[in-house]
Amino acid sequence: AQSVTQPDIHITVSEGASLELRCNYSYGATPYLFWYVQSPGQGLQLLLKYFSGDTLVQGIKGFEAEFKRSQSSFNLRKPSVHWSDAAEYFCAVGPADNAGKSTFGDGTTLTVKP
Amino acid sequence: DTGVSQNPRHKITKRGQNVTFRCDPISEHNRLYWYRQTLGQGPEFLTYFQNEAQLEKSRLLSDRFSAERPKGSFSTLEIQRTEQGDSAMYLCASSLKGQRYEQYFGPGTRLTVT
Repeated sequence: AQSVTQPDIHITVSEGASLELRCNYSYGATPYLFWYVQSPGQGLQLLLKYFSGDTLVQGIKGFEAEFKRSQSSFNLRKPSVHWSDAAEYFCAVGPADNAGKSTFGDGTTLTVKP
Repeated sequence: DTGVSQNPRHKITKRGQNVTFRCDPISEHNRLYWYRQTLGQGPEFLTYFQNEAQLEKSRLLSDRFSAERPKGSFSTLEIQRTEQGDSAMYLCASSLKGQRYEQYFGPGTRLTVT
């Protein structure tokens, strides 16, 4: 069975500081990995995805993530956080067995201090 | 491309009542997914369709829940005899075979059972 762990429930960073959100996954084969962002009361917006190839993937809004197979990790990074980045971030793995459904972590809430 | 739409956006109902939600996927997408998200957790998979066929249902989907996608376009999710534990955000997503099932999410329907 596939699973995703986001160890940090809540992270606070100052505006302009760098950010790293952690994600660890469990999956039997090469995973498809995703990071989504969710603002309060809204649906999920895809930030970036990894299917294969280059392990450093670039996404929207200046985010990037690095796939590390040896550590079963897919951490999200941003060099300089903006106040508008405050939101909840979800890591997901899928699809599995061509089923298409994704398994999500429980999310990390990002607060940005002025 | 108008994105995935969901209606209603908010629904308040009394315990024991039936409710129905609608999801309109991106027009050419052949797969449609329903997820449920409770406070402080990531989305949990409920069910998915490929065209009009319902291919998988989660064990989370009790007998009170039913989903349809009669013409392979829009989908409905009905909850009968609602319980307070059904209060959650219900998210719909769609994807297209050939795009590695990258999922696009709608804004969700927030259900409150009083």
